[in-house]
Amino acid sequence: AQKITQTQPGMFVQEKEAVTLDCTYDTSDPSYGLFWYKQPSSGEMIFLIYQGSYDQQNATEGRYSLNFQKARKSANLVISASQLGDSAMYFCAMKRRGSGAGSYQLTFGKGTKLSVIP
Amino acid sequence: DVKVTQSSRYLVKRTGEKVFLECVQDMDHENMFWYRQDPGLGLRLIYFSYDVKMKEKGDIPEGYSVSREKKERFSLILESASTNQTSMYLCASSIGAGYTFGSGTRLTVV
Repeated sequence: AQKITQTQPGMFVQEKEAVTLDCTYDTSDPSYGLFWYKQPSSGEMIFLIYQGSYDQQNATEGRYSLNFQKARKSANLVISASQLGDSAMYFCAMKRRGSGAGSYQLTFGKGTKLSVIP
Repeated sequence: DVKVTQSSRYLVKRTGEKVFLECVQDMDHENMFWYRQDPGLGLRLIYFSYDVKMKEKGDIPEGYSVSREKKERFSLILESASTNQTSMYLCASSIGAGYTFGSGTRLTVV
């Protein structure tokens, strides 16, 4: 079965330090996409970063980078120089094909709650 | 900006009621999704639609149905609401790798 696993229910990091949030996935599709979303306490889902399975380089967006290791089926999120505003739930997700032509779905992990300590 | 609008932020319904959750997007996206979010379980896909009148079951479709009569609108229907359907419901739309979420509807079934 295709699934996303986030093994860290909660994490703490000191302000200004870097932190890595783990994500492993399982799929038999040769083509897929991996996402990270942030969900602050307000509840909105904020897109952070995307990595396609055929992308040669790891994706980066400002302080966010995705450590993509295809052979190990992992897509860890690295946040550099943590800020207090980074405290939130973080979800890893995978885009995969559905059964209908042109059908795609987005499957999420259970999330990691990150708390940044001043 | 792409907008995905969910008609209600909070909703309280009685057990056995028929409940409609509405979602509208304004960017002509092909794909639309309904998720429920519960603590410790993340977001779980209920149903999705990749075209008008086309729908596909997600991981937890039991107790739910959907309707997509127009491209911009995707409705989630609880035929007979039960207390175990108390949850946060999130709608999303997408084209390519771009997904946009609504702000959610917190449904309480009493």
